[in-house]
Amino acid sequence: ETGVTQTPRHLVMGMTNKKSLKCEQHLGHNAMYWYKQSAKKPLELMFVYSLEERVENNSVPSRFSPECPNSSHLFLHLHTLQPEDSALYLCASSQDGGRQGGGYTFGSGTRLTVV
Amino acid sequence: KNEVEQSPQNLTAQEGEFITINCSYSVGISALHWLQQHPGGGIVSLFMLSSGKKKHGRLIATINIQEKHSSLHITASHPRDSAVYICAVSIRRGAQKLVFGQGTRLTINP
Repeated sequence: ETGVTQTPRHLVMGMTNKKSLKCEQHLGHNAMYWYKQSAKKPLELMFVYSLEERVENNSVPSRFSPECPNSSHLFLHLHTLQPEDSALYLCASSQDGGRQGGGYTFGSGTRLTVV
Repeated sequence: KNEVEQSPQNLTAQEGEFITINCSYSVGISALHWLQQHPGGGIVSLFMLSSGKKKHGRLIATINIQEKHSSLHITASHPRDSAVYICAVSIRRGAQKLVFGQGTRLTINP
């Protein structure tokens, strides 16, 4: 365990379903991130929350909706997804944008398949 | 062209060999990260560096800020080192964020 816990590890959902991904960290970090990793592509930043406020939304479609209720929890709500949204979704946290010595800590990811 | 380029994309070697993975970037950065991703997806941070060289066990990371280049070396490689190694740079574009290379898939054969 890295200190960042993601659930579920695997998720299969239909295009009409609504589901949520959960990320939890108890490292005392003040920033949390959602990244998407598609096959054969570099990781892409989706959202950044700093001090529970969304500070970056990287042109992500509205069918992805993040929520950060407190500094330890981050959610990604999914609805009416497309098959091309199938990917590994990774959560990460950092203190002060990774500029502190600890860098970034990643979760194990949720492998999402949209059918 | 990606802002972060890694080479090689794939590398297969025999156990015990000295491994070098390269990373070049084209933007101003505050730090460079080397990450390791095992099958199953989880990512582990290996190094964060902004100058010089860092060593941890059999892993060594170097960075040349003037040339915008970093290398990750593995000495006495072992099959358990088989993974995808990812270079990422910290930039400030709006919020502080990471920009990733495409990764290098390393396979060490016994």
